[in-house]
Amino acid sequence: GENVEQHPSTLSVQEGDSAVIKCTYSDSASNYFPWYKQELGKRPQLIIDIRSNVGEKKDQRIAVTLNKTAKHFSLHITETQPEDSAVYFCAATDIFQGGSEKLVFGKGTKLTVNP
Amino acid sequence: EAGVTQFPSHSVIEKGQTVTLRCDPISGHDNLYWYRRVMGKEIKFLLHFVKESKQDESGMPNNRFLAERTGGTYSTLKVQPAELEDSGVYFCASSRARLAGEKYFGPGTRLTVT
Repeated sequence: GENVEQHPSTLSVQEGDSAVIKCTYSDSASNYFPWYKQELGKRPQLIIDIRSNVGEKKDQRIAVTLNKTAKHFSLHITETQPEDSAVYFCAATDIFQGGSEKLVFGKGTKLTVNP
Repeated sequence: EAGVTQFPSHSVIEKGQTVTLRCDPISGHDNLYWYRRVMGKEIKFLLHFVKESKQDESGMPNNRFLAERTGGTYSTLKVQPAELEDSGVYFCASSRARLAGEKYFGPGTRLTVT
């Protein structure tokens, strides 16, 4: 089955700096890669996602890149702000198999943005 | 629209007791998922309902866990009898569509088994 590795487990940056979180996956059949942000005490929320037919996707200060050959994808946050502090989870799944689209998650990265 | 709700938010029980968690998905969402995060580890899939039918229950850890979704609306996850390793945060998520329809998560139920 699919296995997703996520690094680093913790990341501390100064406000205004960039933050990069990396994930690798094992199953070449995976074709959908969402990123979730979980603030303390709150529910995980989708912040950006990418499908395997796209190499990069941007949404304001957030971008995700995907390298299918190497089976890795990364989350990039630019101009970080204190409200970006949260735990970020990457995930992978196959959305075309007709199955459950169950998400396989990484272990999460705790991002702290210091003012 | 109202989000996914879960009840209770916290539950502390003793080993051997029974606990039932409830999830109310967003209205109209046929797909309902249960996930669990054990302390410090990844969020893991438990099972998936499409309406009232179990589509995939490959993540259910053992037969102490029973999930139901009567009438295709809310779902319950019962753990009986609970063991120490069942402690964690149980998340429910729902989505309207397949093919990467956004999955909306609930706030989770924190279960502590002592």
